[in-house]
Amino acid sequence: DAGITQSPRHKVTETGTPVTLRCHQTENHRYMYWYRQDPGHGLRLIHYSYGVKDTDKGEVSDGYSVSRSKTEDFLLTLESATSSQTSVYFCAISEGTGGYEQYFGPGTRLTVT
Amino acid sequence: GQNIDQPTEMTATEGAIVQINCTYQTSGFNGLFWYQQHAGEAPTFLSYNVLDGLEEKGRFSSFLSRSKGYSYLLLKELQMKDSASYLCAVRDGSGGYNKLIFGAGTRLAVHP
Repeated sequence: DAGITQSPRHKVTETGTPVTLRCHQTENHRYMYWYRQDPGHGLRLIHYSYGVKDTDKGEVSDGYSVSRSKTEDFLLTLESATSSQTSVYFCAISEGTGGYEQYFGPGTRLTVT
Repeated sequence: GQNIDQPTEMTATEGAIVQINCTYQTSGFNGLFWYQQHAGEAPTFLSYNVLDGLEEKGRFSSFLSRSKGYSYLLLKELQMKDSASYLCAVRDGSGGYNKLIFGAGTRLAVHP
């Protein structure tokens, strides 16, 4: 199994509070991704990173920011959580973006009340 | 635009064969992946097709027709542990980055 961990694994928070999710890898892969998974929508890309301090937006980036100060860590921040951000969040890593598969972390279940 | 369609649910019998279809429309096709996801777990990689034809890997095979925008995942000798969601994902290279676009997934239930 690829060495990817996510923390926390479960979190319940209130509307309007900031939340930070952490993804940590031990594979030294260049590319890291944050997805959210909701029933009926499949996995949707929030943000991705193609190197330290190099990040870009995905298709559902509104309300989210990311940072990558080290190769192994990719942080996802919800500046002011809303109920629509209740979801399961997956981090993924890959060596490249051609035929390279993405390896997924175990996920974080976030509930915003 | 980008669109990926796959059936929402399928059922099959243990020991049988099942085919899960995926159709896609994308402006910058650059490969197609299949992932398996058990309930409450992370997706795991099953197969990758970039050229037309069939890729076989044990009990699982994946087929691609780029001209038709069509792929299928074939599962043989079904086992109870194959009950899971199967995600079709298209790599789209338009816009200068190879992003992965996922379908909503097909939930397969295998019955004895």
